Amino acid sequence: QSVLTQPPSVSAAPGQKVIISCSGGDSDIGNNYVSWYQQLPGAAPQLLIYENDKRPSGIPDRFSGSKSGTSATLAITGLQTGDEADYSCGTWDTRLSAYVFGTGTKVTVL
Amino acid sequence: QVQLVQSGAEVKKPGASVKVSCKASGYTFSNYYLHWVRQAPGQGLEWMGMINPGGGTTTYAQTLKDRVSMTRDTSTNTVYMGLSSLKPDDTAVYYCARVRAPGAFDIWGQGTLVTVSS
Repeated sequence: QSVLTQPPSVSAAPGQKVIISCSGGDSDIGNNYVSWYQQLPGAAPQLLIYENDKRPSGIPDRFSGSKSGTSATLAITGLQTGDEADYSCGTWDTRLSAYVFGTGTKVTVL
Repeated sequence: QVQLVQSGAEVKKPGASVKVSCKASGYTFSNYYLHWVRQAPGQGLEWMGMINPGGGTTTYAQTLKDRVSMTRDTSTNTVYMGLSSLKPDDTAVYYCARVRAPGAFDIWGQGTLVTVSS
């Protein structure tokens, strides 16, 4: 059961910017690191952002993350057709003693 | 290279059990927790639990704790996820994933489709 809220979908034209929000609470985002995952159609998720704003090697700097209080955001600049995918945030929930994911956001490149 | 390779697709009847394997290679098996995550068709990601390959300790999601079991075999660098009393709602792709940084799954298995149908 997702406890992190994301918009179901966002869209923009190639080259533009999209921002995906991830809203939680004190026991999850408020006190733990946030990660972001990209899932291309038919593929396993891939780590995009960890520890709120760090990129694993190989992830372009078009992808950036931030966190403030109990919310986090993922920004994608210079949108490309290959960025069409589902994006999910995730973090540990201290109250539940469980990892929780966001509801997921589908990015469409117009 | 670092990878997790999972066992193949399964078809089970309601009430049966399933066991999915995840074989790690390319890194020190005991140094990183492994988690299981599932995704029902058209749905989001759901965390199922985790295992410490070094000591074998486990933590399960409250919603599944009575039906799920995670074990490891250090001789083959493999972890297993068992789910019992299967229901049609358990139909999903099951992934194993390694944790590197706090709360970050950096390596994922390719996924195993488990279909529960009469």
